[in-house]
Amino acid sequence: DGGITQSPKYLFRKEGQNVTLSCEQNLNHDAMYWYRQDPGQGLRLIYYSQIVNDFQKGDIAEGYSVSREKKESFPLTVTSAQKNPTAFYLCASSRAPTVMNTEAFFGQGTRLTVV
Amino acid sequence: AQTVTQSQPEMSVQEAETVTLSCTYDTSESDYYLFWYKQPPSRQMILVIRQEAYKQQNATENRFSVNFQKAAKSFSLKISDSQLGDAAMYFCASSNAGGTSYGKLTFGQGTILTVHP
Repeated sequence: DGGITQSPKYLFRKEGQNVTLSCEQNLNHDAMYWYRQDPGQGLRLIYYSQIVNDFQKGDIAEGYSVSREKKESFPLTVTSAQKNPTAFYLCASSRAPTVMNTEAFFGQGTRLTVV
Repeated sequence: AQTVTQSQPEMSVQEAETVTLSCTYDTSESDYYLFWYKQPPSRQMILVIRQEAYKQQNATENRFSVNFQKAAKSFSLKISDSQLGDAAMYFCASSNAGGTSYGKLTFGQGTILTVHP
């Protein structure tokens, strides 16, 4: 079945360490996105990529980095520069825009906790 | 920049009754999309309904319908014949229709819906 796979589901990180969250899709979607979800704040965009080897900062990119070496993969690294990394992270993907193809599909998320 | 506001942090409804969730938005774009997503306790985001801004007709999907008031920048979700499985967090979201920012979603803060048996 086609879909988006995020791993791991739960992740614990010590302060000062970098950690990478995985996101893989087999939907042949061009665009991929990373969102952060905090309680009471909805989802906020961290980074997005519309084609391979290109990506753009979202609203809260500081302390994060991404790569897009393959169409199927869009890993997110949470660096030690991110001051408050404990959150729920959601990856999404979508097709190139047409009138009908405007839906974003989401993975099941990764819960990151700094210990 | 787009903004989306959901002014109801929590709502509740009796099973089989109707409930309306409110959403207002602001955008300078002439062509955009509006969405309602559902996030159940599993935290999987599920698309409930979608509205193209250029369409005047309100979107419907089975028990779910929207009231899209473009001039007022309002996009409410009506759930009819509420079921226990409708209990979830509901997010209103907007997206530009094209250009370099297509697909980027701007979300509201969410509304927790409780369904009472």
